[in-house]
Amino acid sequence: GENVEQHPSTLSVQEGDSAVIKCTYSDSASNYFPWYKQELGKRPQLIIDIRSNVGEKKDQRIAVTLNKTAKHFSLHITETQPEDSAVYFCAASRTGGYNKLIFGAGTRLAVHP
Amino acid sequence: DGGITQSPKYLFRKEGQNVTLSCEQNLNHDAMYWYRQDPGQGLRLIYYSQIVNDFQKGDIAEGYSVSREKKESFPLTVTSAQKNPTAFYLCASSIRQGLKSSYNEQFFGPGTRLTVL
Repeated sequence: GENVEQHPSTLSVQEGDSAVIKCTYSDSASNYFPWYKQELGKRPQLIIDIRSNVGEKKDQRIAVTLNKTAKHFSLHITETQPEDSAVYFCAASRTGGYNKLIFGAGTRLAVHP
Repeated sequence: DGGITQSPKYLFRKEGQNVTLSCEQNLNHDAMYWYRQDPGQGLRLIYYSQIVNDFQKGDIAEGYSVSREKKESFPLTVTSAQKNPTAFYLCASSIRQGLKSSYNEQFFGPGTRLTVL
């Protein structure tokens, strides 16, 4: 079935370093790839997304890259800050018809001052 | 953040008891979803609904039931048939595809933490 694998499951960095989280998806028809951030005990919130007609997208310190051929997409956070500490989830879906998001298992990011 | 609410925030269930989790949205979204979140795992889809009076099973529907009598509301019942219901339950909503852009952003509620006693 459809599957999204996410790595690493935990990531620890020093404040100011960069963090990279990688996802691989199985459904070649997927064309929408959002990233959600979930702070402890809170709801997931969309932080950035990318569609398959774009290879890279940036929003301040975060960026997402997509390689459709390899079915990989990645989240890059630069100049990390303690408030970036959270669990990050990638997801993949098709557009058109029903919007079913397939989520990765999540990456717990810890940014140490 | 506003626009989609869940209640209660915490819920305790005894063995053999059915409980209902509430989800309401005032975003005028057609589609609504229920997810279950367990520690160390991603969000798993329980049920989803694209329009009123219609809903479909997700990946882990066994032991759960839903209704969609109103656009704003999508309650989830955790039945006694669900053997391991302790989890964090998240409701979400989105604009039905095709009506606007191809964006599929799902907006999440604050969640309900269910514990079996």
